[in-house]
Amino acid sequence: DAGVTQSPTHLIKTRGQHVTLRCSPISGHKSVSWYQQVLGQGPQFIFQYYEKEERGRGNFPDRFSARQFPNYSSELNVNALLLGDSALYLCASSYFGVTDFNEKLFFGSGTQLSVL
Amino acid sequence: GESVGLHLPTLSVQEGDNSIINCAYSNSASDYFIWYKQESGKGPQFIIDIRSNMDKRQGQRVTVLLNKTVKHLSLQIAATQPGDSAVYFCAEKITGGYNKLIFGAGTRLAVHP
Repeated sequence: DAGVTQSPTHLIKTRGQHVTLRCSPISGHKSVSWYQQVLGQGPQFIFQYYEKEERGRGNFPDRFSARQFPNYSSELNVNALLLGDSALYLCASSYFGVTDFNEKLFFGSGTQLSVL
Repeated sequence: GESVGLHLPTLSVQEGDNSIINCAYSNSASDYFIWYKQESGKGPQFIIDIRSNMDKRQGQRVTVLLNKTVKHLSLQIAATQPGDSAVYFCAEKITGGYNKLIFGAGTRLAVHP
């Protein structure tokens, strides 16, 4: 079975541009979460979607937005890119979006975004 | 891919030794904790988890200990192997609600033959 897949794997943008990152969850999973991982730090929560609705948002500016499609795939959009947005963007999926003993969160390999 | 562990504290061990990785968590209301392993160019991979009503849980070659009094977690890896070399993160969550995990800073484990 395929795991969480993300595209593209690497991306280079310049300041002020817009970027769209894509994620396909594990088959059967209805929840997708997005995390930002700056080099040398742990991942930071950005968004969670379940059944196409936003269920949670981290402390990120409005330049960050996301959506989930009827097939449960998701897009993360970032507008007006800043140098500080350079990071590894991770997508994670789970069945119902309530991580616990009975429901693990599975991460993709991420999209490495470099803003020049 | 880029290494995620360039500026992280590093634990160096000899192959075959036991490793202990420590983590201090931040929220006393957190009641579910997870250890993840992250290799270069990959996303975090689940290792083991524990609930706050437990103080110890064992898996295959790994044990997690939880001390709620001092908000401390540890991950013990028995008979450490070269394939265990990676960055290890602890994460905390408040059960229920949505999927927000709060990750610690991470520790890089370097296993030497």
